[in-house]
Amino acid sequence: TAGITQAPTSQILAAGRSMTLRCTQDMRHNAMYWYRQDLGLGLRLIHYSNTAGTTGKGEVPDGYSVSRANTDDFPLTLASAVPSQTSVYFCASSEEGPNTEAFFGQGTRLTVV
Amino acid sequence: GENVEQHPSTLSVQEGDSAVIKCTYSDSASNYFPWYKQELGKGPQLIIDIRSNVGEKKDQRIAVTLNKTAKHFSLHITETQPEDSAVYFCASEGFNKFYFGSGTKLNVKP
Repeated sequence: TAGITQAPTSQILAAGRSMTLRCTQDMRHNAMYWYRQDLGLGLRLIHYSNTAGTTGKGEVPDGYSVSRANTDDFPLTLASAVPSQTSVYFCASSEEGPNTEAFFGQGTRLTVV
Repeated sequence: GENVEQHPSTLSVQEGDSAVIKCTYSDSASNYFPWYKQELGKGPQLIIDIRSNVGEKKDQRIAVTLNKTAKHFSLHITETQPEDSAVYFCASEGFNKFYFGSGTKLNVKP
């Protein structure tokens, strides 16, 4: 079972450019999440979706947008990247929301220069 | 929103010793507390979790305790081994989202 797949694995992006980080899960989980991981700050929630067709803002949503057109896909878009968005991004999913185990992808390392 | 604090940020123990990581949370309505282990270059993976209807849960060498009154929970690893070296995150379910602590880097010295 693939679980959660993120793409790309890593990316160097020029400031001001846009980019979409892709996330696909094959577990038919209802809830999906995007986190960024920065040294000393742990995992901070950017956006989440409790079910297809709905999304919500997390702790650090500014500069990011998401969509959830179907159950499997949850892309994260940076409309105009800035250096402070340099981070490792993790997508996760859970079956029925935050009361159940979250499964994480392998992460996308993004560097904005 | 929920505030999860985790201590210590780094922990170094000798192989065979025990390791304890502590977390506090702020939302008294939270009732699910998972712990994740993250190895270098990988995403976090669940190692144990506890719900608010129990005070302690054990799985081989790892155990988690929960004190709902004090709003804190702890991870205990006994007989540590070099392969336990990783970053550990506590988390709390609050306001219908997961909130994570800042992580503890555990180093088990052979």
